[in-house]
Amino acid sequence: QKEVEQNSGPLSVPEGAIASLNCTYSDRGSQSFFWYRQYSGKSPELIMSIYSNGDKEDGRFTAQLNKASQYVSLLIRDSQPSDSATYLCAVRTGNTGKLIFGQGTTLQVKP
Amino acid sequence: DTAVSQTPKYLVTQMGNDKSIKCEQNLGHDTMYWYKQDSKKFLKIMFSYNNKELIINETVPNRFSPKSPDKAHLNLHINSLELGDSAVYFCASSLTGTGNTIYFGEGSWLTVV
Repeated sequence: QKEVEQNSGPLSVPEGAIASLNCTYSDRGSQSFFWYRQYSGKSPELIMSIYSNGDKEDGRFTAQLNKASQYVSLLIRDSQPSDSATYLCAVRTGNTGKLIFGQGTTLQVKP
Repeated sequence: DTAVSQTPKYLVTQMGNDKSIKCEQNLGHDTMYWYKQDSKKFLKIMFSYNNKELIINETVPNRFSPKSPDKAHLNLHINSLELGDSAVYFCASSLTGTGNTIYFGEGSWLTVV
Protein backbone atom coordinates (compact mmCIF):
# COMPACT_ATOMS: atom_id res chain seq x y z
CA GLN A 1 0.00 0.00 0.00
CA LYS A 2 1.35 3.41 -0.95
CA GLU A 3 1.77 5.88 1.88
CA VAL A 4 -0.19 8.58 0.05
CA GLU A 5 -2.56 7.68 -2.76
CA GLN A 6 -4.27 9.82 -5.35
CA ASN A 7 -6.11 9.02 -8.54
CA SER A 8 -3.76 10.11 -11.32
CA GLY A 9 -6.65 11.19 -13.56
CA PRO A 10 -6.94 13.12 -15.71
CA LEU A 11 -9.95 14.69 -14.06
CA SER A 12 -11.81 16.79 -16.59
CA VAL A 13 -14.37 19.41 -15.55
CA PRO A 14 -16.08 22.22 -17.46
CA GLU A 15 -15.25 25.81 -16.65
CA GLY A 16 -17.28 27.07 -13.71
CA ALA A 17 -17.81 23.62 -12.20
CA ILE A 18 -16.53 22.28 -8.89
CA ALA A 19 -13.44 20.08 -9.12
CA SER A 20 -13.03 17.51 -6.35
CA LEU A 21 -9.60 16.01 -5.73
CA ASN A 22 -9.12 13.18 -3.27
CA CYS A 23 -6.25 11.68 -1.32
CA THR A 24 -5.88 8.87 1.20
CA TYR A 25 -2.94 8.15 3.48
CA SER A 26 -1.78 5.15 5.45
CA ASP A 27 -0.05 6.56 8.56
CA ARG A 28 -2.67 7.20 11.26
CA GLY A 29 -0.20 9.33 13.19
CA SER A 30 0.05 11.93 10.42
CA GLN A 31 -0.67 15.45 11.61
CA SER A 32 -0.03 17.84 8.73
CA PHE A 33 -1.57 17.78 5.28
CA PHE A 34 -0.83 19.90 2.27
CA TRP A 35 -2.06 20.48 -1.27
CA TYR A 36 0.42 21.65 -3.87
CA ARG A 37 -0.26 22.69 -7.45
CA GLN A 38 2.28 21.98 -10.17
CA TYR A 39 2.03 23.41 -13.64
CA SER A 40 3.83 21.53 -16.40
CA GLY A 41 7.54 22.30 -16.31
CA LYS A 42 7.28 24.24 -13.06
CA SER A 43 7.90 23.55 -9.40
CA PRO A 44 5.18 22.62 -6.89
CA GLU A 45 3.60 25.60 -5.15
CA LEU A 46 1.65 25.40 -1.92
CA ILE A 47 -2.10 26.00 -2.17
CA MET A 48 -3.35 24.96 1.25
CA SER A 49 -2.37 23.30 4.46
CA ILE A 50 -4.73 21.70 6.97
CA TYR A 51 -4.02 20.24 10.38
CA SER A 52 -7.37 19.49 12.06
CA ASN A 53 -10.52 17.66 11.06
CA GLY A 54 -13.09 19.59 9.10
CA ASP A 55 -13.02 22.15 6.33
CA LYS A 56 -10.63 24.99 5.67
CA GLU A 57 -11.54 27.56 3.04
CA ASP A 58 -9.30 29.97 1.15
CA GLY A 59 -10.93 31.79 -1.73
CA ARG A 60 -12.13 29.26 -4.28
CA PHE A 61 -10.28 26.44 -2.54
CA THR A 62 -11.57 24.28 0.32
CA ALA A 63 -9.50 21.56 1.96
CA GLN A 64 -11.31 18.85 3.89
CA LEU A 65 -9.70 16.49 6.39
CA ASN A 66 -11.11 13.36 7.98
CA LYS A 67 -8.46 11.70 10.13
CA ALA A 68 -10.71 8.80 11.13
CA SER A 69 -11.08 7.85 7.47
CA GLN A 70 -7.50 8.92 6.67
CA TYR A 71 -8.81 11.05 3.87
CA VAL A 72 -8.06 14.57 2.69
CA SER A 73 -9.65 16.35 -0.25
CA LEU A 74 -9.44 19.61 -2.14
CA LEU A 75 -12.46 21.31 -3.70
CA ILE A 76 -11.99 24.00 -6.32
CA ARG A 77 -15.11 26.08 -6.90
CA ASP A 78 -15.79 27.98 -10.12
CA SER A 79 -12.97 26.12 -11.86
CA GLN A 80 -11.01 28.13 -14.41
CA PRO A 81 -8.84 26.95 -17.31
CA SER A 82 -5.89 28.42 -15.40
CA ASP A 83 -6.54 25.80 -12.69
CA SER A 84 -5.47 23.09 -15.14
CA ALA A 85 -2.42 21.53 -13.50
CA THR A 86 -1.31 18.54 -11.45
CA TYR A 87 -2.41 18.67 -7.82
CA LEU A 88 -0.15 16.95 -5.33
CA CYS A 89 -1.35 15.78 -1.94
CA ALA A 90 1.39 15.71 0.70
CA VAL A 91 1.28 14.24 4.19
CA ARG A 92 3.80 14.72 6.96
CA THR A 93 4.12 11.30 8.55
CA GLY A 94 3.75 10.98 12.27
CA ASN A 95 6.70 8.71 12.92
CA THR A 96 9.47 10.13 10.73
CA GLY A 97 8.32 13.68 10.09
CA LYS A 98 8.96 13.20 6.37
CA LEU A 99 6.69 14.93 3.85
CA ILE A 100 5.40 12.20 1.56
CA PHE A 101 3.76 13.09 -1.74
CA GLY A 102 1.08 11.30 -3.66
CA GLN A 103 1.53 10.75 -7.38
CA GLY A 104 -0.66 13.72 -8.20
CA THR A 105 -3.98 14.18 -9.97
CA THR A 106 -4.01 15.96 -13.30
CA LEU A 107 -6.91 18.40 -13.57
CA GLN A 108 -8.16 19.68 -16.92
CA VAL A 109 -10.64 22.54 -16.91
CA LYS A 110 -12.27 22.91 -20.30
CA PRO A 111 -13.56 26.31 -21.46
CA ASP B 1 14.89 37.94 -4.76
CA THR B 2 14.20 34.27 -5.44
CA ALA B 3 13.46 32.42 -2.20
CA VAL B 4 14.92 29.01 -3.07
CA SER B 5 17.30 29.09 -6.00
CA GLN B 6 19.10 26.21 -7.60
CA THR B 7 21.62 25.97 -10.41
CA PRO B 8 21.92 24.82 -13.07
CA LYS B 9 18.33 24.73 -14.31
CA TYR B 10 19.17 22.41 -17.19
CA LEU B 11 21.98 19.90 -17.35
CA VAL B 12 22.72 17.43 -20.13
CA THR B 13 25.65 15.13 -19.50
CA GLN B 14 27.08 11.79 -20.49
CA MET B 15 26.94 8.57 -18.55
CA GLY B 16 29.79 8.16 -16.14
CA ASN B 17 30.31 11.89 -15.54
CA ASP B 18 30.20 13.57 -12.14
CA LYS B 19 27.98 16.63 -11.69
CA SER B 20 26.78 18.95 -8.95
CA ILE B 21 23.61 20.93 -8.39
CA LYS B 22 23.70 23.89 -6.03
CA CYS B 23 20.90 25.24 -3.88
CA GLU B 24 20.54 28.35 -1.75
CA GLN B 25 17.61 29.72 0.23
CA ASN B 26 17.20 33.23 1.60
CA LEU B 27 14.08 32.54 3.66
CA GLY B 28 15.89 32.06 6.94
CA HIS B 29 14.75 28.43 7.05
CA ASP B 30 16.64 25.85 9.07
CA THR B 31 15.79 22.73 7.09
CA MET B 32 16.62 21.95 3.47
CA TYR B 33 15.73 19.04 1.23
CA TRP B 34 16.44 17.36 -2.05
CA TYR B 35 13.52 15.76 -3.87
CA LYS B 36 13.61 13.77 -7.10
CA GLN B 37 10.70 13.82 -9.56
CA ASP B 38 10.77 11.06 -12.14
CA SER B 39 9.12 10.87 -15.55
CA LYS B 40 5.86 9.75 -13.94
CA LYS B 41 5.82 12.95 -11.90
CA PHE B 42 6.28 11.07 -8.63
CA LEU B 43 8.04 13.38 -6.15
CA LYS B 44 10.24 11.51 -3.71
CA ILE B 45 12.42 12.80 -0.89
CA MET B 46 16.13 11.98 -1.07
CA PHE B 47 17.79 13.93 1.74
CA SER B 48 17.00 16.42 4.44
CA TYR B 49 19.34 18.60 6.48
CA ASN B 50 18.46 20.56 9.61
CA ASN B 51 21.01 23.20 10.63
CA LYS B 52 23.66 21.49 8.49
CA GLU B 53 22.95 18.08 10.03
CA LEU B 54 21.69 15.18 7.93
CA ILE B 55 18.33 14.04 9.33
CA ILE B 56 16.76 12.13 6.45
CA ASN B 57 18.72 9.89 4.14
CA GLU B 58 16.48 7.78 1.96
CA THR B 59 17.70 4.66 0.23
CA VAL B 60 19.40 6.38 -2.65
CA PRO B 61 22.63 5.08 -4.23
CA ASN B 62 25.75 6.32 -2.47
CA ARG B 63 26.74 7.93 -5.76
CA PHE B 64 24.54 10.77 -4.48
CA SER B 65 26.23 12.85 -1.82
CA PRO B 66 24.64 15.96 -0.31
CA LYS B 67 26.69 18.68 1.34
CA SER B 68 25.45 21.51 3.52
CA PRO B 69 28.16 24.10 4.18
CA ASP B 70 25.68 26.22 6.16
CA LYS B 71 21.96 26.19 6.80
CA ALA B 72 21.26 28.37 3.75
CA HIS B 73 22.96 26.04 1.29
CA LEU B 74 22.48 22.42 0.31
CA ASN B 75 24.36 21.03 -2.68
CA LEU B 76 23.96 17.68 -4.38
CA HIS B 77 26.87 15.89 -5.98
CA ILE B 78 26.29 12.88 -8.20
CA ASN B 79 29.11 10.54 -9.19
CA SER B 80 29.20 8.16 -12.14
CA LEU B 81 25.91 9.32 -13.61
CA GLU B 82 23.58 6.67 -15.02
CA LEU B 83 20.72 6.89 -17.50
CA GLY B 84 18.24 6.27 -14.67
CA ASP B 85 19.40 9.40 -12.90
CA SER B 86 17.61 11.49 -15.52
CA ALA B 87 14.92 13.38 -13.63
CA VAL B 88 14.03 16.76 -12.20
CA TYR B 89 15.74 17.47 -8.89
CA PHE B 90 14.01 19.94 -6.60
CA CYS B 91 15.64 21.67 -3.70
CA ALA B 92 13.29 22.83 -0.95
CA SER B 93 13.35 24.40 2.49
CA SER B 94 11.18 24.81 5.56
CA LEU B 95 11.24 26.34 9.03
CA THR B 96 10.81 24.09 12.03
CA GLY B 97 7.79 24.87 14.15
CA THR B 98 5.71 26.67 11.53
CA GLY B 99 3.84 23.65 10.28
CA ASN B 100 7.04 22.84 8.41
CA THR B 101 5.56 24.05 5.13
CA ILE B 102 8.00 23.22 2.38
CA TYR B 103 8.88 25.72 -0.34
CA PHE B 104 10.43 24.47 -3.54
CA GLY B 105 13.09 25.80 -5.86
CA GLU B 106 12.47 25.90 -9.59
CA GLY B 107 14.03 22.52 -10.24
CA SER B 108 17.07 21.24 -12.11
CA TRP B 109 16.35 19.16 -15.20
CA LEU B 110 19.05 16.51 -15.46
CA THR B 111 19.36 14.45 -18.64
CA VAL B 112 21.95 11.70 -18.82
CA VAL B 113 22.75 10.49 -22.34
